[in-house]
Order: sequence, then structure tokens, then C-alpha cells
Amino acid sequence: EAGVTQSPTHLIKTRGQQATLRCSPISGHTSVYWYQQALGLGLQFLLWYDEGEERNRGNFPPRFSGRQFPNYSSELNVNALELEDSALYLCASSSPGTGRQYFGPGTRLTVT
Amino acid sequence: AQSVSQHNHHVILSEAASLELGCNYSYGGTVNLFWYVQYPGQHLQLLLKYFSGDPLVKGIKGFEAEFIKSKFSFNLRKPSVQWSDTAEYFCAVNVKNNAGNMLTFGGGTRLMVKP
Repeated sequence: EAGVTQSPTHLIKTRGQQATLRCSPISGHTSVYWYQQALGLGLQFLLWYDEGEERNRGNFPPRFSGRQFPNYSSELNVNALELEDSALYLCASSSPGTGRQYFGPGTRLTVT
Repeated sequence: AQSVSQHNHHVILSEAASLELGCNYSYGGTVNLFWYVQYPGQHLQLLLKYFSGDPLVKGIKGFEAEFIKSKFSFNLRKPSVQWSDTAEYFCAVNVKNNAGNMLTFGGGTRLMVKP
């Protein structure tokens, strides 16, 4: 069984640009979660998508947004990048009715 | 909102020493509890989870954790650590309500095991 995949592995952007990160969940999983792992701030919940809808978001500004496609893959968009957005962005997926999430390898975003 | 505290940020042990990592959460309702591990250069993996039933749960690689509801704790233990246990360990909680399965993580504990 293929795990959660994320692309790209690394992404380097300059301040003010936009970044797009992609995630493919495990086959059969309908929920996708995004987390930010920033140095010194730990892992923080960003967004939850299920069945194509945004179900909940963490305490992040609106320039963090995303979407989920009909095949349940997901994109995370970060607009107007700031230096403090530099972090590892993790995607996780879960199947309906279960509490367990499976994590991808992450995309390391560096903003210069 | 719930929060999770991991008391030890860095732990250094010698091989064969016993390990206990503390985790406390703040939420008065019903929760699911998890320990994840992140080995150097690898992605987060589930060590063990507690949903209900026996409060002593056993996970992979000889790890176990005990849920003590009265103390809001879910401490991770291993009787004898190995060098390969060097990693960062995260305790996490999700709340059993309609808000979904978002995980709230503790700050993590970096474990270094000296050979």
C-alpha cells in the first residue's frame, strides 16, 4: 500500500511570493490534514479537508489556504510569503470514522 | 481549546536505560491519545494509540504508554532503550467531537541514546 506522498520535497521562495504544496493521500482515505512544523514552534494544525470541503482550520492567517480535489488529493497555498513561513509542512490522511492519521514525508519550504 | 504538554524537551540516555517521557493534556472531555516518533530524516510514524479500553497500551518496538484519566496523562515508557531509538517523540491528542480528527501535538521530546 502506497503511503501519503508530498511534492515537492524542497521549495525555496522569496518573501512576497506564493507557494503551492501538494499532497496525495493513501488510497481510500477521504480526509487530508495539513500541519506546519516550524523551528521552535512544534507541530501545529493548519487545515482539514474532507470530501472536498474545508472542515476546519487552525490559528493561521487567511493567506494560508488550500483545496481538495475530487480524487482527494490536496493543495496547500501560501500567499505573500513571509520569512517565518519557513517550515516543514506535513500532510496526513485518514479514512472515514477512524482517528488515526498517516503522515507524509513533508515539504520543506524555505523563504528568503 | 485543548493543549498538550511534554515536560522533557531533551533526554539523553545510555543504551539499556529505562525511558519514561511525560505527556499531559488539558481537555475535560473524551479524547484519543497518540505517540508519534520521527526518526532522523524520516517522517512521522505512529508508535501507539489509545482510543478506549485497557489504559495500558503496547506499541511497536517495545514501547508502551499508560493512560491515567485522573491525571490527564499519557506517559510513554520503554524498559530498555537502544541506540536506534534516537529520535524525536511527539504526544498528540484529538477530541472525540464533531470538530474532526485534528491532532493537537505536544512540543516534542528529543531523545538521544548513547551507545
